[in-house]
Amino acid sequence: SQTIHQWPATLVQPVGSPLSLECTVEGTSNPNLYWYRQAAGRGLQLLFYSVGIGQISSEVPQNLSASRPQDRQFILSSKKLLLSDSGFYLCAWRTGYSGNTIYFGEGSWLTVV
Amino acid sequence: DQQVKQNSPSLSVQEGRISILNCDYTNSMFDYFLWYKKYPAEGPTFLISISSIKDKNEDGRFTVFLNKSAKHLSLHIVPSQPGDSAVYFCAASWGNNNDMRFGAGTRLTVKP
Repeated sequence: SQTIHQWPATLVQPVGSPLSLECTVEGTSNPNLYWYRQAAGRGLQLLFYSVGIGQISSEVPQNLSASRPQDRQFILSSKKLLLSDSGFYLCAWRTGYSGNTIYFGEGSWLTVV
Repeated sequence: DQQVKQNSPSLSVQEGRISILNCDYTNSMFDYFLWYKKYPAEGPTFLISISSIKDKNEDGRFTVFLNKSAKHLSLHIVPSQPGDSAVYFCAASWGNNNDMRFGAGTRLTVKP
């Protein structure tokens, strides 16, 4: 069966510091991978998605970036965090076998102070 | 632009009664709709989905209804249980579009 893991689960970072959130998927190959963010009291916003290694599509302009160095690895990064980057970040995956259903990881709480 | 809307931020029902969560969408291209359930500090879990070629899909206590003409879908939970207390997100997508749109969520509280 497929599993998805992301880490760290929580982190508190000062404004201006870098960020790296990592996500890996197991039990499947060539998944579509996604990064979503849930800001406080708001819905889920798609930040990036990737259909293959090195292929990244950005949905919103921001100071975040994403990379996919391996088939089942997806990384969310920032060189300098802003207060507005605080939120709950979710990695998700989808394959042809799951149809149009995407499955989420456990999430990472980021607090920028 | 908010293409998927959940206008009720919260809903409270008594255990054993029916819970009805509502969702409206504006993009007529959407052809696949999903409901996710989310507990605090956890990722959303997939609950149930429906294709636009259907108007109803049932899975145990959960039933999703789709009214394409009204661009409206709803999730019915019968009977409601305290363990159903969570935030429920409605989502929609179309074709192979990777941009799945989510509503803002409705917090359901089921009182014992």
